[in-house]
Amino acid sequence: DQQVKQNSPSLSVQEGRISILNCDYTNSMFDYFLWYKKYPAEGPTFLISISSIKDKNEDGRFTVFLNKSAKHLSLHIVPSQPGDSAVYFCAASAVGGGSQGNLIFGKGTKLSVKP
Amino acid sequence: KAGVTQTPRYLIKTRGQQVTLSCSPISGHRSVSWYQQTPGQGLQFLFEYFSETQRNKGNFPGRFSGRQFSNSRSEMNVSTLELGDSALYLCASTPGVSTDTQYFGPGTRLTVL
Repeated sequence: DQQVKQNSPSLSVQEGRISILNCDYTNSMFDYFLWYKKYPAEGPTFLISISSIKDKNEDGRFTVFLNKSAKHLSLHIVPSQPGDSAVYFCAASAVGGGSQGNLIFGKGTKLSVKP
Repeated sequence: KAGVTQTPRYLIKTRGQQVTLSCSPISGHRSVSWYQQTPGQGLQFLFEYFSETQRNKGNFPGRFSGRQFSNSRSEMNVSTLELGDSALYLCASTPGVSTDTQYFGPGTRLTVL
């Protein structure tokens, strides 16, 4: 049973436009959400996170939106750049359980930004 | 600060053998988590160690085990290897507070023949 779902395995966007990556979750105990970016042959790199007490968090070109009632979060990248081409993972954690050491990941969305 | 390091980076084993992977966390980090990444299942949590104690465990068989040393370095062991254990094994470290960001190493690519 997949608790974190990224339903789009791939996304292609033109340089300069907005990239929107989506993520759905089923476990209402999740209270901390993160996005990671991964290049081939490297470990995931943290991008941005959001706590369940917020509905938006912004960091430069990256904004994460959380809709708790819909159990949905999205990552917006504006403007998209060719260097953003990578696999993006959504992850969730039940921090209230005492540890963030157990992240539940989606299967990833491969973003391709074309010049 | 140096990042998370994992050794070896690549490993080839045959079915039935056992393997030990090593992870050195960022200096000062006390929590180490291990994940398995496969094309079909994505990134799956194996276990987390904090101050030499296993704090969390994922849904993997007992063939997968780990430990953490007093210097926070961690090892994971897989016994009686199966073809399906071929994967990228990633470790991540944090200082240990629940809202800390996890920082990942480059991974160990294990191939089981």
